[in-house]
Amino acid sequence: ETGVTQTPRHLVMGMTNKKSLKCEQHLGHNAMYWYKQSAKKPLELMFVYSLEERVENNSVPSRFSPECPNSSHLFLHLHTLQPEDSALYLCASSQDGRARSPLHFGNGTRLTVT
Amino acid sequence: GENVEQHPSTLSVQEGDSAVIKCTYSDSASNYFPWYKQELGKRPQLIIDIRSNVGEKKDQRIAVTLNKTAKHFSLHITETQPEDSAVYFCAATPSGAGSYQLTFGKGTKLSVIP
Repeated sequence: ETGVTQTPRHLVMGMTNKKSLKCEQHLGHNAMYWYKQSAKKPLELMFVYSLEERVENNSVPSRFSPECPNSSHLFLHLHTLQPEDSALYLCASSQDGRARSPLHFGNGTRLTVT
Repeated sequence: GENVEQHPSTLSVQEGDSAVIKCTYSDSASNYFPWYKQELGKRPQLIIDIRSNVGEKKDQRIAVTLNKTAKHFSLHITETQPEDSAVYFCAATPSGAGSYQLTFGKGTKLSVIP
């Protein structure tokens, strides 16, 4: 158990569905992240929350909507996705939001958009 | 922004041999360089990192070297074992104390042949 839990592990959704990914961290960290991992591409930072405030939004399409109700929970709400959004979505946390603070990743949600 | 190139994309070595993975970065102000290991079906995990005030750091069979003049850093694994088989990602931070970005390389798939 790494302290960062993601659910669900796998998700298949149609292009018109609405679903949410959930992440929870038990490490007492102050920052949480969403990363997208696609085959043969670098890990792509999507969003960063530091002390529940969004501090980074890397030009992610509006069909991805993050929510951070407290420092332990992070959600990624999905709607009207495209097939190219199929990927592994990784949540991570760190002690603080600075890039030099080591990241602790969850196991990820494998998303397939049909 | 920062750009990180990682080579090779795949690497096969015999058990007991050494493995070297190299990364180059573009932003000369980058000053933190972590390495993450991702085993098949598992989450990325930090294995070692180096800051720009040192040229080399070792942790048992793993070492990282940094050449700031040439803007490249490398991961060295000695006496490789089958459990070293994984995808390894290098990363670098751009400048700025408030930076939340960590730019990753595309990864190197290391296979250690028994």
